[in-house]
Amino acid sequence: DAGVTQSPTHLIKTRGQQVTLRCSPKSGHDTVSWYQQALGQGPQFIFQYYEEEERQRGNFPDRFSGHQFPNYSSELNVNALLLGDSALYLCASSWGSREQFFGPGTRLTVL
Amino acid sequence: SQQGEEDPQALSIQEGENATMNCSYKTSINNLQWYKQNSGRGLVHLILIRSNEREKHSGRLRVTLDTSKKSSSLLITASRAADTASYFCATDKRGIQGAQKLVFGQGTRLTINP
Repeated sequence: DAGVTQSPTHLIKTRGQQVTLRCSPKSGHDTVSWYQQALGQGPQFIFQYYEEEERQRGNFPDRFSGHQFPNYSSELNVNALLLGDSALYLCASSWGSREQFFGPGTRLTVL
Repeated sequence: SQQGEEDPQALSIQEGENATMNCSYKTSINNLQWYKQNSGRGLVHLILIRSNEREKHSGRLRVTLDTSKKSSSLLITASRAADTASYFCATDKRGIQGAQKLVFGQGTRLTINP
């Protein structure tokens, strides 16, 4: 049974560019949440998707957007990248509001 | 903003000793979870304790929860080198439409010395 997978593993972008990160949930899970983890900090909630809709959003600007597909996979898009967007982006999946299982993350570096 | 605060921020012990990490939080919760993270990789779920539970065990792990003090502790017994990692507590805040939002502390960096 595959766990949560994320792609790519690493990504380097320059300021002003746009990036798309991808997540495939654990089999049987229908809910995907995204978190941002800056170096030395705990993860911070970006948003959660359920039934292809954003169900809740954390304190992140509109430059951060997402999408959930009918197969429950999800994308995180960040526009107009800033240096401060450099972080580990974690995807977590769950079945409804049960415990969340995390993927290995995508390390984004903005130069 | 971070809901939880882990204490200590860093802990270094000898292999075989016990490690205790504490977490405090600010608002009421549905449950509290502990996660392990190796070298900035993904989070591994360790244990979940519900708000109506006081103690829970899983192998070498023991978690306690005191909702009156809004605090939790994670005890790792007979530590091993593989326990070297960062440990985070996360509180479960139910938002609109029942969405589960995990709020993490800043973590405790645990180092097990041979």
